[in-house]
Amino acid sequence: DVVMTQSPLSLPVTLGQPASVSCRSSQSLVHNDGNTYLNWFQQRPGQSPRRLIYKVSNRDSGVPDRFSGSGSGTDFTLKISRVEAEDVGIYYCMQHTHWPHTFGQGTKLEIK
Amino acid sequence: EVQLVESGGGLVQPGGSLRLSCAASGFTLSNYWMWWLRQTPGKGLEWVANIKPDGSKTLYVDSVRGRFTISRDNGKNSLYLQMNSLRPEDTAMYYCVKDGGLTWGQGTLVTVSS
Repeated sequence: DVVMTQSPLSLPVTLGQPASVSCRSSQSLVHNDGNTYLNWFQQRPGQSPRRLIYKVSNRDSGVPDRFSGSGSGTDFTLKISRVEAEDVGIYYCMQHTHWPHTFGQGTKLEIK
Repeated sequence: EVQLVESGGGLVQPGGSLRLSCAASGFTLSNYWMWWLRQTPGKGLEWVANIKPDGSKTLYVDSVRGRFTISRDNGKNSLYLQMNSLRPEDTAMYYCVKDGGLTWGQGTLVTVSS
């Protein structure tokens, strides 16, 4: 199985400051069709996960533009340009290039 | 509005069975692969099973293969997960998810305990 490793696991951030989450996969996430199926999810307390980013860098509708995704191959990053209070929660990367689909451990973002 | 609503969770003894259902609305179910995922405090998020739009292909994580069966009824806009021979480690919140992860249900809690 593809192992997804996130860092850091805990991310205390001051309001208005940037934040960054790293996600590394144990093998390349480039699919035979040329796409890289790496998504980022946000899970606020008490809620279901919500997709923020799909295929590495595509922001979903309604997601603020302060969220961005980047990376390639086995190394990916989620960036928040200026953290707001509503961004508190756990962030997960997930790959669905390979079976079984696998998730990172999650990164808990909190406000300092 | 695209919506997924799970039901069927509950408390069951080890070795028992449950059938989860997921009612889809706001989109044409028959056009999409569908997933079941689960989440526990200890193991985080785990993919459980996928099913092709016409139901002709299914995939499972190793830990549930042979015990769980994913199925669908496109005419009823519904997805199912039949869970047999349940184990305490199957205790989790189970989510129905539209292909790609854009849409999730609210989840249904399964507790396996004597």
